Amino acid sequence: DTAVSQTPKYLVTQMGNDKSIKCEQNLGHDTMYWYKQDSKKFLKIMFSYNNKELIINETVPNRFSPKSPDKAHLNLHINSLELGDSAVYFCASSQGQTSSNEQYFGPGTRLTVT
Amino acid sequence: AQTVTQSQPEMSVQEAETVTLSCTYDTSESDYYLFWYKQPPSRQMILVIRQEAYKQQNATENRFSVNFQKAAKSFSLKISDSQLGDAAMYFCAYRSFSNSGYALNFGKGTSLLVTP
Repeated sequence: DTAVSQTPKYLVTQMGNDKSIKCEQNLGHDTMYWYKQDSKKFLKIMFSYNNKELIINETVPNRFSPKSPDKAHLNLHINSLELGDSAVYFCASSQGQTSSNEQYFGPGTRLTVT
Repeated sequence: AQTVTQSQPEMSVQEAETVTLSCTYDTSESDYYLFWYKQPPSRQMILVIRQEAYKQQNATENRFSVNFQKAAKSFSLKISDSQLGDAAMYFCAYRSFSNSGYALNFGKGTSLLVTP
């Protein structure tokens, strides 16, 4: 049973296109995240949602728009893709407001913009 | 914002030996959480160990243990009896106790090579 799943796992697209990455968790968690891992493997938070409400919105271009239709899903839509958007995008989830709770990560989506 | 520094981009260890990965962080908070995550070539992020800053006792999980020095803001990971399956990128991460949306703040990672 996959705890945090992402689709697709690989995405190759051209500059200027619009694409979405979907994330679902079946752990009953109330907080979900999007992280970006660049070509140097550096991981950085993009967004965080708690009970469907946005609580973190880091300095991310407004071409990136997260959508949380319910607590189990957090999708990432990207408009007008640019070469610099090429990266691995990870979805994660955790339970509650307690910081010690483990964040469970999805398998990642490797986005390649050509 | 808190910064997390991993000063060793790459480390190498022989099978069955012990290796220590370094991590330092910068914060003005007194309560927080620290984590080590492992990322093998499959790119799956796996929690290795966690430490609550208010606990003085160092966390241990089987062959993995930490040396947490709060005053020095240091959080190193020791891997004992290294195995080939330990080869991976290791990320140190900080999480605020009170705010910042509970997101993890990662270091740049240490690539661990395990040789037979």
